[in-house]
Amino acid sequence: DTAVSQTPKYLVTQMGNDKSIKCEQNLGHDTMYWYKQDSKKFLKIMFSYNNKELIINETVPNRFSPKSPDKAHLNLHINSLELGDSAVYFCASSQTRGGLVYGYTFGSGTRLTVV
Amino acid sequence: GESVGLHLPTLSVQEGDNSIINCAYSNSASDYFIWYKQESGKGPQFIIDIRSNMDKRQGQRVTVLLNKTVKHLSLQIAATQPGDSAVYFCAESPSWGKLQFGAGTQVVVTP
Repeated sequence: DTAVSQTPKYLVTQMGNDKSIKCEQNLGHDTMYWYKQDSKKFLKIMFSYNNKELIINETVPNRFSPKSPDKAHLNLHINSLELGDSAVYFCASSQTRGGLVYGYTFGSGTRLTVV
Repeated sequence: GESVGLHLPTLSVQEGDNSIINCAYSNSASDYFIWYKQESGKGPQFIIDIRSNMDKRQGQRVTVLLNKTVKHLSLQIAATQPGDSAVYFCAESPSWGKLQFGAGTQVVVTP
């Protein structure tokens, strides 16, 4: 079983479209994240949810909206896609124990190409 | 696949030798550090972590060293194997839950 799974793996879409990426983790973790990796391999955090509550919201265009229906799922919806949104998006999860973060695990990524 | 024109720092290592990958981190408030390995087309894979109350931690064939005085982190891989070829990232946690990644080092293992 994949610990952190994302769908789809590849997404090619036209500018202006709206798309969603889904993420599920079966690790029983209480925190989930979205990261973006650009063409230079630079990884940057976008959002984080802890027990369904938004706790990290970096400077991301408001066309990006995360939604966490439960602790095991964190989806990313993107409106009005732009060429610059092309990147690989990674979901991750971790568990909190004694106030510390453990088991920070990444999914295999969703390669988004906007044409 | 790799982007055209992408130039990560590269470490070439002969199979069987030890590798040392270095990382300078930026935030003196960071209290948790993780090394990840990323193979082409895959997500970052956890290798080893260390908290700021330690200066050394060992795993299977890997050792992480933390020098808080100069904000430096290193990953040592013993007896490097072809399967160790990948991009390696250090990540620091300047605040709870947030990971700030370094630029990455491409490790190439030659026979």
